[in-house]
Amino acid sequence: AQTVTQSQPEMSVQEAETVTLSCTYDTSENNYYLFWYKQPPSRQMILVIRQEAYKQQNATENRFSVNFQKAAKSFSLKISDSQLGDTAMYFCAFMKHSSNTGKLIFGQGTTLQVKP
Amino acid sequence: NAGVTQTPKFRVLKTGQSMTLLCAQDMNHEYMYWYRQDPGMGLRLIHYSVGEGTTAKGEVPDGYNVSRLKKQNFLLGLESAAPSQTSVYFCASSHSGGWETQYFGPGTRLLVL
Repeated sequence: AQTVTQSQPEMSVQEAETVTLSCTYDTSENNYYLFWYKQPPSRQMILVIRQEAYKQQNATENRFSVNFQKAAKSFSLKISDSQLGDTAMYFCAFMKHSSNTGKLIFGQGTTLQVKP
Repeated sequence: NAGVTQTPKFRVLKTGQSMTLLCAQDMNHEYMYWYRQDPGMGLRLIHYSVGEGTTAKGEVPDGYNVSRLKKQNFLLGLESAAPSQTSVYFCASSHSGGWETQYFGPGTRLLVL
């Protein structure tokens, strides 16, 4: 069975600085997808960024980028130039490529507070 | 487009009561999902559907039933609510499985006394 672990329950960062959220996962699969979702205080879950395991190049989306280390089974999220609107809970998630059912396995979440 | 909507937003039940949570999407998505979110545990998949008329069990299906009679709607039922089902419930939908983005509803907060 796959598991996803986010070891940082809470983090804080000053506005305009950079912060990195950690995520590790356990799987015997060779091909899979990894995601970071954001849940702001409104509770609406929003996809931030995603990565396919067979792609070595790290995904980037504007101020958001990932550091994907397949051998270490690590998938960290870097937020550059943090903004107050980045305050949210962030979830790392895993999906098997082979299932095609869309079943996501989520980590426990990291609450990020961006301070002015 | 409204995206994914959930009804109701908040509900209080007594132990043993039943209720149905409604999820609706207007994006013509084939796949729909029900998750529950509990403190310190992230989101866990309850049931999902890969098309109209189909349903399947997720990680934590016990105590819940679902139906997908219409493509745009996915219903989650609690036949006999228990305090352990106090949670925030999220519905999501996607065009297909795998790489496709899942779009989430705003959530339903359920309190079972």
